[in-house]
Amino acid sequence: NAGVTQTPKFRILKIGQSMTLQCAQDMNHNYMYWYRQDPGMGLKLIYYSVGAGITDKGEVPNGYNVSRSTTEDFPLRLELAAPSQTSVYFCASSYAGTDTQYFGPGTRLTVL
Amino acid sequence: AQSVTQLGSHVSVSEGALVLLRCNYSSSVPPYLFWYVQYPNQGLQLLLKYTTGATLVKGINGFEAEFKKSETSFHLTKPSAHMSDAAEYFCAVRGGSGNTPLVFGKGTRLSVIA
Repeated sequence: NAGVTQTPKFRILKIGQSMTLQCAQDMNHNYMYWYRQDPGMGLKLIYYSVGAGITDKGEVPNGYNVSRSTTEDFPLRLELAAPSQTSVYFCASSYAGTDTQYFGPGTRLTVL
Repeated sequence: AQSVTQLGSHVSVSEGALVLLRCNYSSSVPPYLFWYVQYPNQGLQLLLKYTTGATLVKGINGFEAEFKKSETSFHLTKPSAHMSDAAEYFCAVRGGSGNTPLVFGKGTRLSVIA
């Protein structure tokens, strides 16, 4: 099992550009999550999904969009990138009704 | 709503000394509590979790935590620190089971001095 994979590992964007952060898991988990991590601030939930076709907003969804067309994939879309979106982004997944979340290695995004 | 407070953004201990990382939570329903560890440039890994039952929970790498409802605490301990324990540690809470997402604390960076 590869677990949770994320691409790219690093990315630099210019203000106003768009991009998609990819996340995939091969554990057949129903639940998937996107977090952002800023220094000294812990992890903030952006969006989550409890199954294919179902998504919900977390604490900090503004400026982001998600879709969940398959169980395996949960891409995060940034439209009109802003410097405030400079962060490390983590994707995670878990079984439905089970609590342990498995995290990907992260994507470090810089918006200049 | 749930919340987590981790006391101390940075803790420094000598190798072989006791590790104590503090976590207090707020939850309107019986909580599920977690400790995750993050090594440099990596994602988070689960150390241990409390859901129901025994209040003293043992995790990986010799860590343990005790759920104290009266104190709303879930402090993480390890009797003897090792250099490899240097990392960032996150406490998290979920209000019960089901779909409720985890709420993370801001993290505590543990340094181990030789």
